[in-house]
Amino acid sequence: AQSVSQHNHHVILSEAASLELGCNYSYGGTVNLFWYVQYPGQHLQLLLKYFSGDPLVKGIKGFEAEFIKSKFSFNLRKPSVQWSDTAEYFCAVTSSGNTGKLIFGQGTTLQVKP
Amino acid sequence: GAGVSQSPSNKVTEKGKDVELRCDPISGHTALYWYRQSLGQGLEFLIYFQGNSAPDKSGLPSDRFSAERTGGSVSTLTIQRTQQEDSAVYLCASSSSRAEKLFFGSGTQLSVL
Repeated sequence: AQSVSQHNHHVILSEAASLELGCNYSYGGTVNLFWYVQYPGQHLQLLLKYFSGDPLVKGIKGFEAEFIKSKFSFNLRKPSVQWSDTAEYFCAVTSSGNTGKLIFGQGTTLQVKP
Repeated sequence: GAGVSQSPSNKVTEKGKDVELRCDPISGHTALYWYRQSLGQGLEFLIYFQGNSAPDKSGLPSDRFSAERTGGSVSTLTIQRTQQEDSAVYLCASSSSRAEKLFFGSGTQLSVL
């Protein structure tokens, strides 16, 4: 069965620090990968996605993620975080061409100190 | 409406009672998902509807949980004989195609006393 593992449950950074959130998935076939974000008091929303092509994908607000197939990883990065990036981040995966069942990781809470 | 609408936003019930949670997806979206969000547990997949296909019910935790989607639009998640461990936020999401960008509702906070 598909599963997603996010290594960091709670990350605390100062503004301008660099961010990397780990995400690993278990599935042997071709996958589609996503990062969603939930800002305090707001709905979950899509940050970025990877379906095919360039394994380095760029999303909103300066975020990017790199798909490394050999490592089954899709880590999220941002060179310099801002206080407004304080949120919960979820990695998610679905197998390409399947019924679309999207499996989420446990989430990582990011707290950025001003 | 412009977004995914869920009702009620909050539901407090007594152990053993049945509850119904409603989701109105974005008009025209063929895919509809139910997830459960518990503190520290992330988003737990419950069930997925895609058009007229048979729903993927593989995430429903027990036979007390069921869901239906009428006319390819509104969906109702029913929990029978609620237990305290059912307390969580139940999220609904819809998308225009298979596992493309999901649009989430604000959820129903269920508290079972």
